[in-house]
Amino acid sequence: QKEVEQNSGPLSVPEGAIASLNCTYSDRGSQSFFWYRQYSGKSPELIMFIYSNGDKEDGRFTAQLNKASQYVSLLIRDSQPSDSATYLCAVRRFQGAQKLVFGQGTRLTINP
Amino acid sequence: GAVVSQHPSRVICKSGTSVKIECRSLDFQATTMFWYRQFPKQSLMLMATSNEGSKATYEQGVEKDKFLINHASLTLSTLTVTSAHPEDSSFYICSATTSGGAAYEQYFGPGTRLTVT
Repeated sequence: QKEVEQNSGPLSVPEGAIASLNCTYSDRGSQSFFWYRQYSGKSPELIMFIYSNGDKEDGRFTAQLNKASQYVSLLIRDSQPSDSATYLCAVRRFQGAQKLVFGQGTRLTINP
Repeated sequence: GAVVSQHPSRVICKSGTSVKIECRSLDFQATTMFWYRQFPKQSLMLMATSNEGSKATYEQGVEKDKFLINHASLTLSTLTVTSAHPEDSSFYICSATTSGGAAYEQYFGPGTRLTVT
């Protein structure tokens, strides 16, 4: 079992709809969770991080964390073609850990 | 804030030569920097973790004598690929984190595309 798992996609969503990206992790003691967006040929860009159960909203993005079920999701409302990218989920496994464990990424395509 | 730069953005070198890549945190002091490599259509692979003033910690399978990392200050880390070969051609990305962040989030540089001919 991979430490951090994501559906590789591709996930196709019509413009204006809600895109839902999911990520599960294996280490129940994991502390912090991150969503990065990576455009083709570019480096990852931090979108959001979350470390408490529940929802965290930032503009069109909402991160949801459920530690009991060991999953974290990212919702993108009012999807735009510019949201088309690969979304990487990353997990910091324990307090004081420096490195992140990345999932394989989900490729999202927003269709006009 | 939290801007990380890398130089060069793209480099082509001949097999057997060495290449140095610089990573700088521009508006914050980076307690820790990380070096990743990414091959086409694959996810990030962590190569090493670098703390200022101490030796880098390399991930399993990464040759420390081939990939030399120096973290001379809180704003600069360098990765030197020694005796590069075509299989070292990849996208090299650094990231930096600061102890001031709420979750020690990592901010990535723009990456360096290395092509070894």
